[in-house]
Amino acid sequence: AIQLTQSPSSLSASVGDRVTITCRTSQDIASALSWYQQKPGRPPKLLIYDAARLEVGVPSRFSGGGSGRDFTLTISGLQPEDCATYYCQHFYGYPWTFGQGTAVELK
Amino acid sequence: QLHLQESGPGLVKPSETLSLSCTVSGDSFNKTTYYWGWIRQPPGKGLEWIATISHTGSKYYNPSLRRRLELFVDTSKSQFSLKLYSMTAADTAVYYCARENSETSFDVWGLGTLVTVSS
Repeated sequence: AIQLTQSPSSLSASVGDRVTITCRTSQDIASALSWYQQKPGRPPKLLIYDAARLEVGVPSRFSGGGSGRDFTLTISGLQPEDCATYYCQHFYGYPWTFGQGTAVELK
Repeated sequence: QLHLQESGPGLVKPSETLSLSCTVSGDSFNKTTYYWGWIRQPPGKGLEWIATISHTGSKYYNPSLRRRLELFVDTSKSQFSLKLYSMTAADTAVYYCARENSETSFDVWGLGTLVTVSS
């Protein structure tokens, strides 16, 4: 199975900061990657699919990039409501796997 | 508006079988671009994909769970289900059902149901 490694595992940033989370895969997956946001007690919410496509209704401060083995999720101007855990997931053939998550908190 | 709702027991005894269902409301259940998945999350931990099924019955499993897992689909009820056999404490988790969109993402999720394995 393809392994996904996110970094950092947690981060602390101030309102308005630019935040970048990375996801590295154990093999080339082209652009078959999604990003999710999860708040406590809630199901994950899709943010980005196909590595860089923004899901309808997601604020434009969220962006995704990368291809192959290295991917990024960027929040351009962190807002208090962005405090959550973020997960990447590959869609390059079953079985699907998720990264271990990155917790984002306000400094 | 698509809505997914998980149903099942909140408590299962060790060695017993978990039966969960997910009912889909909306008109997309039989569309070929959509598959239907199960994902779980142990308390305080990350997400684990369990399995996916199509409305025609194509099935895809997490290899680590395959030997204990069965998937079902009932298109007349817009419902899909799983049975997970020989439950242990390690299977304690919130279980989510979700729509898998064209093998690109899980774009719609149920609220999840907590299943605890305990005697």
